[in-house]
Amino acid sequence: NAGVTQTPKFRVLKTGQSMTLLCAQDMNHEYMYWYRQDPGMGLRLIHYSVGEGTTAKGEVPDGYNVSRLKKQNFLLGLESAAPSQTSVYFCASSHSHEQYFGPGTRLTVT
Amino acid sequence: AQSVTQLGSHVSVSEGALVLLRCNYSSSVPPYLFWYVQYPNQGLQLLLKYTSAATLVKGINGFEAEFKKSETSFHLTKPSAHMSDAAEYFCAVSVAGGTSYGKLTFGQGTILTVHP
Repeated sequence: NAGVTQTPKFRVLKTGQSMTLLCAQDMNHEYMYWYRQDPGMGLRLIHYSVGEGTTAKGEVPDGYNVSRLKKQNFLLGLESAAPSQTSVYFCASSHSHEQYFGPGTRLTVT
Repeated sequence: AQSVTQLGSHVSVSEGALVLLRCNYSSSVPPYLFWYVQYPNQGLQLLLKYTSAATLVKGINGFEAEFKKSETSFHLTKPSAHMSDAAEYFCAVSVAGGTSYGKLTFGQGTILTVHP
């Protein structure tokens, strides 16, 4: 039982490049979330999903897209990366209001 | 909409001293409240949660928190700090039902430093 895993762990992008972050969970949770963490700002919700095939915007969705084609996977895409998207990205899945977090992806956009 | 305020971005204590991390929330409906801990370069780990049962909640590693509705607070305490408690702590609120179901709103975090 791996819980929530994230791929990759680190990435450096140039401005304008695109990439996809993968989140996978093996707990059969319906709800999944993507957050970004920036110093002094806590975690802010980017997008979330309440089930396979559904997605919704969170607090800071601009510049990101997501897809939930399979229940166990939640993908976060950056179509044209900007330096403001330099951050640590966390994925989480939840059951009964308790969220389980992945180890994070540290993304730097230069 | 709900919000969370953590008073003090940095707290420093001596080993063996009381740890008190403050959290106040606002919510238009009865909240669920959480404390998470993040060690350097790691993800978030749940310390404890309040889900409308007992107002005094005990968590892992000797931490506990008390839900006080009249003060809209959920402060985290530990009687005696240990060096291994040094980490960043996040308070979070969630609400039951509606379109906000399960979504967490986090405070900005409090970095706890423990001195020998």
